[in-house]
Amino acid sequence: AQTVTQSQPEMSVQEAETVTLSCTYDTSESDYYLFWYKQPPSRQMILVIRQEAYKQQNATENRFSVNFQKAAKSFSLKISDSQLGDAAMYFCAYRRSGAGSYQLTFGKGTKLSVIP
Amino acid sequence: EADIYQTPRYLVIGTGKKITLECSQTMGHDKMYWYQQDPGMELHLIHYSYGVNSTEKGDLSSESTVSRIRTEHFPLTLESARPSHTSQYLCASSQTGRRTGELFFGEGSRLTVL
Repeated sequence: AQTVTQSQPEMSVQEAETVTLSCTYDTSESDYYLFWYKQPPSRQMILVIRQEAYKQQNATENRFSVNFQKAAKSFSLKISDSQLGDAAMYFCAYRRSGAGSYQLTFGKGTKLSVIP
Repeated sequence: EADIYQTPRYLVIGTGKKITLECSQTMGHDKMYWYQQDPGMELHLIHYSYGVNSTEKGDLSSESTVSRIRTEHFPLTLESARPSHTSQYLCASSQTGRRTGELFFGEGSRLTVL
């Protein structure tokens, strides 16, 4: 079974600084998808960024980027120019490719605090 | 923001009561899911549906039941609530054919059973 590990239960960052959240996963598949989700306090969980394993290029969405190391099974999220609104729980998730594989496996989450 | 709605957002009830958490989506997604989120914020899949009249139990055993009579609607029912059911319940949906298959989440229903 696939597992997703987020080794940092909590992180903090100064406003305007850069922070990196770690995620590792275990799979025997070669084709799969990885995601970072953000859950602000008492608000809807939203997708931050996605990565397709067959693409070597790291995904980027504005201030959010990933460092995808397929051989190391590592998928870290970098947040640049951190803002107060970035404070949230961040979940790393995995989904294997192929028909019938629609469920996501989530890590336990990292709580990010942004210090003004 | 995704068009998936959960009601009620907050519910406080007594032990033994029957409750139904509603989840509706307007995106026409064929797949829907219920996650239970524990106090440590970890997510556990408790039910999922791949289409109308299709429901399956997830990884975490749950005393709740679900139904999927209409594509857009995926309610979760607890016949007799207990304090151990106190949790946040998140509904999500996804669409077959969308390559990456990401989930879209509702805002959650926070249930407290006294």
